Amino acid sequence: EPEVTQTPSHQVTQMGQEVILRCVPISNHLYFYWYRQILGQKVEFLVSFYNNEISEKSEIFDDQFSVERPDGSNFTLKIRSTKLEDSAMYFCASSEAPEGGYTFGSGTRLTVV
Amino acid sequence: EDQVTQSPEALRLQEGESSSLNCSYTVSGLRGLFWYRQDPGKGPEFLFTLYSAGEEKEKERLKATLTKKESFLHITAPKPEDSATYLCAVQARRAGSYQLTFGKGTKLSVIP
Repeated sequence: EPEVTQTPSHQVTQMGQEVILRCVPISNHLYFYWYRQILGQKVEFLVSFYNNEISEKSEIFDDQFSVERPDGSNFTLKIRSTKLEDSAMYFCASSEAPEGGYTFGSGTRLTVV
Repeated sequence: EDQVTQSPEALRLQEGESSSLNCSYTVSGLRGLFWYRQDPGKGPEFLFTLYSAGEEKEKERLKATLTKKESFLHITAPKPEDSATYLCAVQARRAGSYQLTFGKGTKLSVIP
């Protein structure tokens, strides 16, 4: 069964450093998403991406965040200057259409120290 | 603002003991309601999408139903491998918006 692949599975970074989280969506999917889950809290929407541009973003997705599809297979989330409160599981997801269920990856656990 | 409330927060069942999980939602027009399963340290795994009141979907021991205000996930004769956190999410019918709003989940433990 096709999978969404995320790397790394765990990243530890110092406060103020830049991090890039990487995702390989399912190959025939056109819509890509990032969500995050702070420990013990709800899964929260960050951003959706279609046709090489952001189609929707939440209030969480401020100027410290950016997304990119640098080539035909990868989808990345960059956090420019990490804060302690950015520590969370970050999930990438993809879908064939914006309605209907997404396929999520296994996540990247980001720990900011 | 879209809201999703799931109950109970945690549920312990004996193997074979059927039960239901509840998802209450408030949304300005529902495009779809989603059920996901999440194992510890993993991403949500898609189970069902429901689009309109009265709709039902089934998969093995799981059956999801939808009304205008809530959804139920019925688990019939659960097995230990059904232990997981079950997440409910809604997608509102708003132009250009397809984000999912999740509840906090119900953590299900099935005891052999």
